[in-house]
Amino acid sequence: KQEVTQIPAALSVPEGENLVLNCSFTDSAIYNLQWFRQDPGKGLTSLLLIQSSQREQTSGRLNASLDKSSGRSTLYIAASQPGDSATYLCAVMGGGADGLTFGKGTHLIIQP
Amino acid sequence: GAGVSQSPRYKVAKRGQDVALRCDPISGHVSLFWYQQALGQGPEFLTYFQNEAQLDKSGLPSDRFFAERPEGSVSTLKIQRTQQEDSAVYLCASSLEGRRTYEQYFGPGTRLTVT
Repeated sequence: KQEVTQIPAALSVPEGENLVLNCSFTDSAIYNLQWFRQDPGKGLTSLLLIQSSQREQTSGRLNASLDKSSGRSTLYIAASQPGDSATYLCAVMGGGADGLTFGKGTHLIIQP
Repeated sequence: GAGVSQSPRYKVAKRGQDVALRCDPISGHVSLFWYQQALGQGPEFLTYFQNEAQLDKSGLPSDRFFAERPEGSVSTLKIQRTQQEDSAVYLCASSLEGRRTYEQYFGPGTRLTVT
């Protein structure tokens, strides 16, 4: 059964810092990996989708990498802003499941 | 264009009542997914539809949970004889085509509280 782990569980940094969120998964037979953000009381907003054949994707200040063989992904956020404060979720498709398997998320606070 | 919508946004049910949660996917999206998110946890997969066919229901926690998508668009998740452990946010997502390669878009969720 696929398992996804996200480290750290929580992170608080001053505005302007660059930061890295980590995600690992146990079964490398995945089709894709998605990063989402979730604001309190809201649904999930898709940030980046990386197909299994890709190594990274970029959108604005966000960059996500994928190392399928080692079961790892990182989300890099450049020049963090208070509006980046949210819970960031990593999810993989594959490894036996027909739906996404999610980690528990990283709760990020950017201090003004 | 319009995103995934869900209704109601909040539902309070007394233990033992039946509830029905609705999902309107993005128009033209073939695949539809339901997830359950407990407080402080990541979402967990419940079931998957491709058009009107329910191809995977392995994540449904018990036979009290039932989902349908009769015309291949709107979907309903029904929970019979609700229990306190059913309290959670129920999320619906849709994607353009096959489940394995396309980005999933999520609705705002329905927060179910069973008292």
